This record gives sequence, structure tokens and C-alpha cells, in this order.
Amino acid sequence: QVQLRESGPGLVKPSETLSLTCTVSGGSITNYHWMWIRQPPGQGLQWIGFIYYTGSTSYNPSLKSRLTISVDTSKNQFSLELTSVTAADTAVYYCARHKPNSGGNDFWGQGTLVTVSS
Amino acid sequence: QSALTQPASVSGSPGQSITISCSGTSSDVGGYNFVSWYQQHPGKAPKLMIYEVSNRPSGVSNRFSGSKSGNTASLAISGLQPEDEADYYCSSYTSIRSYVFGTGTKVTVL
Repeated sequence: QVQLRESGPGLVKPSETLSLTCTVSGGSITNYHWMWIRQPPGQGLQWIGFIYYTGSTSYNPSLKSRLTISVDTSKNQFSLELTSVTAADTAVYYCARHKPNSGGNDFWGQGTLVTVSS
Repeated sequence: QSALTQPASVSGSPGQSITISCSGTSSDVGGYNFVSWYQQHPGKAPKLMIYEVSNRPSGVSNRFSGSKSGNTASLAISGLQPEDEADYYCSSYTSIRSYVFGTGTKVTVL
């Protein structure tokens, strides 16, 4: 069974960089697209972006200027970096696996809360 | 990109059927069959319920069904059960090679 686990700091200061890593176990990172999705407290889901195992990416236009998603196939991990964060970036961040040719994300991490505050 | 539009809340009694709509545009819902639906219980990660408009992943009850007409997708839940009480989100692929989620619908079992 594929499992995903997000890791990274739970508290980031305003104007600094938010960095998270998703570790995939129980399956290979190759041949799949991998997603980042976030959910501000009490609000809905927001798609952040995805990366293919080859390194090809697509980003939410509203975050594109601050966002980098990368992949390390040797570690079965992919990562997110979001620069110049503000309180509006406070959210639960999820990583997920995209089911091929389906439009759906079939495996999700448990999510990690990142709070932006001084 | 704007979020897809869903009703804020839908309710029904046990055993009844309900439908949740997801309204988009020809650049997302109407243009692609990559529409999916997620169920989210409080404090939990979303769970894929429907993909490619109407397909159910293994293990998802056949009480859940999806459809699409034009720029609007729908999720139907038949035989409503207490455990169906949750938030539901639609999602669609878009013309700019991105994804967009719906605004979310809270389903209450009366």
C-alpha cells in the first residue's frame, strides 16, 4: 500500500521560505504525477501544483512566482518551497499521488499544518 | 483561475438520495472528462470517491455516482447513511494544464 508523509517546520516567519518534503513509501515515485494541495483553517482545498517524476512541473498561477516543486527519485521524495510567505499561507499542506490519466488523486498524506507567524 | 461553484450545504434524511452540483466553465469541467470528487471528514485527508466524471475507485460504495452535463458535474449519493456526513469537493483539470477545486459542500444527514 502506497503511503505518503509530509515533513517540515510547523512554524515559519513572515517573509521567509516555507519548505516541505513528501516521502513516498510502499511504491515507486516513477511513472506518476505528484501533487501539493493546501487547506487554510476552516476553508476549502486549493491546488498548489504538481510534478512528474521526470521533473516536469505545473503550478497554480496565483502562486507561480513564489513556488518551486522538485523531485528526488533516489530518495522517493518530492518537495515544495514557497518564498516570501504571509499569514495567508497558513494552511494544512497535503501531498498526494495522481492516479494516471484519471484527473484524481488516489493516495494522500495525512497533512501537516504550517503556521506563518512571527 | 476561479474555484468551481458548489452549494455550501446539502442535507437529507437517512436512506434518501442527494445530489451535489459543481459548476465550472468550458475551460475546465466542460472541456475535459477529468472531473473528480473527494470526501473529507473533519481533521482527515480527502478521499477520492469519483474520478474521470463517473468512475469509482476500488472500495468506494456504489451508492456514490458521478455525471456531467455541459459545464456542470454532479455527485449523487443514494441511500444516505450517517457516515456520509462530511465535506465534499469536486476538482477538474483545466485548459492551462492545472487543476482547480470546488468551493466545497457540507453534507448533513438529518
